[in-house]
Amino acid sequence: EAGVAQSPRYKIIEKRQSVAFWCNPISGHATLYWYQQILGQGPKLLIQFQNNGVVDDSQLPKDRFSAERLKGVDSTLKIQPAKLEDSAVYLCASSSRSASRTYGYTFGSGTRLTVV
Amino acid sequence: GENVEQHPSTLSVQEGDSAVIKCTYSDSASNYFPWYKQELGKRPQLIIDIRSNVGEKKDQRIAVTLNKTAKHFSLHITETQPEDSAVYFCAASIPGGGADGLTFGKGTHLIIQP
Repeated sequence: EAGVAQSPRYKIIEKRQSVAFWCNPISGHATLYWYQQILGQGPKLLIQFQNNGVVDDSQLPKDRFSAERLKGVDSTLKIQPAKLEDSAVYLCASSSRSASRTYGYTFGSGTRLTVV
Repeated sequence: GENVEQHPSTLSVQEGDSAVIKCTYSDSASNYFPWYKQELGKRPQLIIDIRSNVGEKKDQRIAVTLNKTAKHFSLHITETQPEDSAVYFCAASIPGGGADGLTFGKGTHLIIQP
């Protein structure tokens, strides 16, 4: 089974620029999550999709962050304009949300963003 | 919303000894508690999880215990080995429908001393 794919792996931008990250979940997984992991901290949920609908975006800074999941498969997370404090690893995860839920999430390798 | 506290932030043990990491959560509705291991520069990897209808779960050298009344759960690693050195995160969620994103603790840096 192929894992969660993310790109790019690394990105360096200047503050006030925009950036976009891409995620391709495991085939058949209806639920997709974006997490932000700042260095030295645990991941923090930004947004959760169920198919192409948003389930939870309560922690997404909507003044600068946006995300979409067209056709219920791939997803894009965008930051515009970026701030220094957005420097972090952005992790995508997917889940089939089966009733047993014995395996938890599968995370992608993440995109490491550095804002200078 | 849910809040997960994790202790200690750093734990150093001798190789072969046991390590215990503890977490507490605030939302009594949470009923899924996974533990993740993250090595430097890598993604978090699920190592064990427990659901609220189980008090303890074991997988070889790793075990997790859950006390729903006290709202705390712990990770136990026995016979520690150098490859156990990593950052460990506990998390909590309410799976089964609707918003079920994980709330993570701040992590424990486990150091195995040779």
